Amino acid sequence: DVKVTQSSRYLVKRTGEKVFLECVQDMDHENMFWYRQDPGLGLRLIYFSYDVKMKEKGDIPEGYSVSREKKERFSLILESASTNQTSMYLCASSPGQAPYNQPQHFGDGTRLSIL
Amino acid sequence: QKEVEQDPGPLSVPEGAIVSLNCTYSNSAFQYFMWYRQYSRKGPELLMYTYSSGNKEDGRFTAQVDKSSKYISLFIRDSQPSDSATYLCAITPPHEGGGNKLTFGTGTQLKVEL
Repeated sequence: DVKVTQSSRYLVKRTGEKVFLECVQDMDHENMFWYRQDPGLGLRLIYFSYDVKMKEKGDIPEGYSVSREKKERFSLILESASTNQTSMYLCASSPGQAPYNQPQHFGDGTRLSIL
Repeated sequence: QKEVEQDPGPLSVPEGAIVSLNCTYSNSAFQYFMWYRQYSRKGPELLMYTYSSGNKEDGRFTAQVDKSSKYISLFIRDSQPSDSATYLCAITPPHEGGGNKLTFGTGTQLKVEL
């Protein structure tokens, strides 16, 4: 089974802090994704990466950056945390080979609170 | 208009009922269709994955795709309290380069009562 592991289940940080969320997958997947999930808004894509050192903006990249130095690890960075970034953050991965458009596999999420 | 519309519920049914969950989508280029189940405080897990019109069955679950109407459904037979969760539909267009982005519905919250 695919395993996507997010380093923290719950995290509490203060406004203005730099926050790192880590994600590791063990299935040698090329594609990795970061989402945030908010009630009534569903899943929104922040950033994704389809190869090491490659990154693409999703629908809501403002206030975030990412890093992918190794294939199995994808980090989300909140440069200066703000209260409106309080949310559930979900990491996902998927294979990059054909057949394309294969499903994404998710971690259990990090519930981040910014005070 | 949102690309994917899904009734948020909540939907409450008695144990043993047949449940129908639905999504509509606006872009006829969408080709791949998935259903995810998400328990409270957990990440979404893949339930069903299909790319063609028609039905696909897996145990008590049936995914139905009608591309002409741009309508997808998930049916749950003999529903159990353990089926209580939020169900998300997800759709993707043909591959267009690096990555495979999904467009998600907002999810339908289902509660199966004893």
